[in-house]
Amino acid sequence: QQQVKQSPQSLIVQKGGISIINCAYENTAFDYFPWYQQFPGKGPALLIAIRPDVSEKKEGRFTISFNKSAKQFSLHIMDSQPGDSATYFCAASDSGNTPLVFGKGTRLSVIA
Amino acid sequence: DSGVTQTPKHLITATGQRVTLRCSPRSGDLSVYWYQQSLDQGLQFLIQYYNGEERAKGNILERFSAQQFPDLHSELNLSSLELGDSALYFCASSVTGLSSETQYFGPGTRLLVL
Repeated sequence: QQQVKQSPQSLIVQKGGISIINCAYENTAFDYFPWYQQFPGKGPALLIAIRPDVSEKKEGRFTISFNKSAKQFSLHIMDSQPGDSATYFCAASDSGNTPLVFGKGTRLSVIA
Repeated sequence: DSGVTQTPKHLITATGQRVTLRCSPRSGDLSVYWYQQSLDQGLQFLIQYYNGEERAKGNILERFSAQQFPDLHSELNLSSLELGDSALYFCASSVTGLSSETQYFGPGTRLLVL
């Protein structure tokens, strides 16, 4: 019930292409869905987050798509750049005092 | 720079030993989280403190303990270390500790148990 399943585990995308990372959850009480980005040797940092009252949120080249009925959400990186190469974690919570539940991460490599 | 500091950056020790990892949260943040990151398990939540009190507990082993001090810094104590405890340990902080808040992660402590 508390898991967040993330796929793929790793992803290689050509420069300029679209990177897509998917996550699925079971707990219908979840109402906050952030994505964290982690560069090698650094701690994760919040990239973008969404609540289920909207189906999509866009910030620059990064877009979260949310499907409440399917209990799935995804991160799209448009015009992927080598500088986007990092590990991406999706997460979910019920906005209260229960901790964020993280997916296992996707290692993205953008090649020129 | 997230404003969260962690020391030491690297730690090499032997099985059976005990180590202490230290974390200073961002100025103004009252809540501290500890995570363990290994290659196959991703980010595992260990424990959360808010203003000195334990708020939530995750997959923290009995050999591990933590506390948050009055000045809000936190320490994670790992004892009777095993090879499998080798991992990156992250501390994060947030203002009030609600799970919908942004968590700011420190640079991590890399622990190697030989």
